[in-house]
Amino acid sequence: SQELEQSPQSLIVQEGKNLTINCTSSKTLYGLYWYKQKYGEGLIFLMMLQKGGEEKSHEKITAKLDEKKQQSSLHITASQPSHAGIYLCGADASNYQLIWGAGTKLIIKP
Amino acid sequence: DAGITQSPRYKITETGRQVTLMCHQTWSHSYMFWYRQDLGHGLRLIYYSAAADITDKGEVPDGYVVSRSKTENFPLTLESATRSQTSVYFCASSAWDSGYNEQFFGPGTRLTVL
Repeated sequence: SQELEQSPQSLIVQEGKNLTINCTSSKTLYGLYWYKQKYGEGLIFLMMLQKGGEEKSHEKITAKLDEKKQQSSLHITASQPSHAGIYLCGADASNYQLIWGAGTKLIIKP
Repeated sequence: DAGITQSPRYKITETGRQVTLMCHQTWSHSYMFWYRQDLGHGLRLIYYSAAADITDKGEVPDGYVVSRSKTENFPLTLESATRSQTSVYFCASSAWDSGYNEQFFGPGTRLTVL
């Protein structure tokens, strides 16, 4: 069965600094979804990648899917306190399900 | 209100009691999902449904029952709650159109079993 591994598990970053979160799959990715979860709340969709080499941006967040479609990275430029939370990657699996990484907890230090 | 709602938001119950968590969505999405989120495990799928009256087990279904008599509702019942079922439960829905499976999540129910 397919597994998603996220790294790092947690990250403390000084406000204004850049950071990257990775999501690595044990199998080829056909659809990769990035979500953000604020503490105590539900998940908010950020973006979805399907094609090898694809890159999408939303405000200061950029996500990429590598050419081999087995790894995705999420990059935040000039981090702000509003970026704090848990970032999860999800991947298309069988029967219209998504499988999920364990999440990366991001803390922004002022 | 449009969207996906869950109730209750918080619940404390005792071991052995039956508990039902409610989920309601207003988009008429065909697909609905129940997850539990625990530290160190991420999101784990409990049950999912492709349409009214069609449900199937996910990764961790034991001790849970679901039903879906109407497209918009997908309740999750813990038949006899155990401490190991203390968790945060999320309901999600999806239109799953042409391989695009963005799931929309409710705010979650934090369940504590004493």
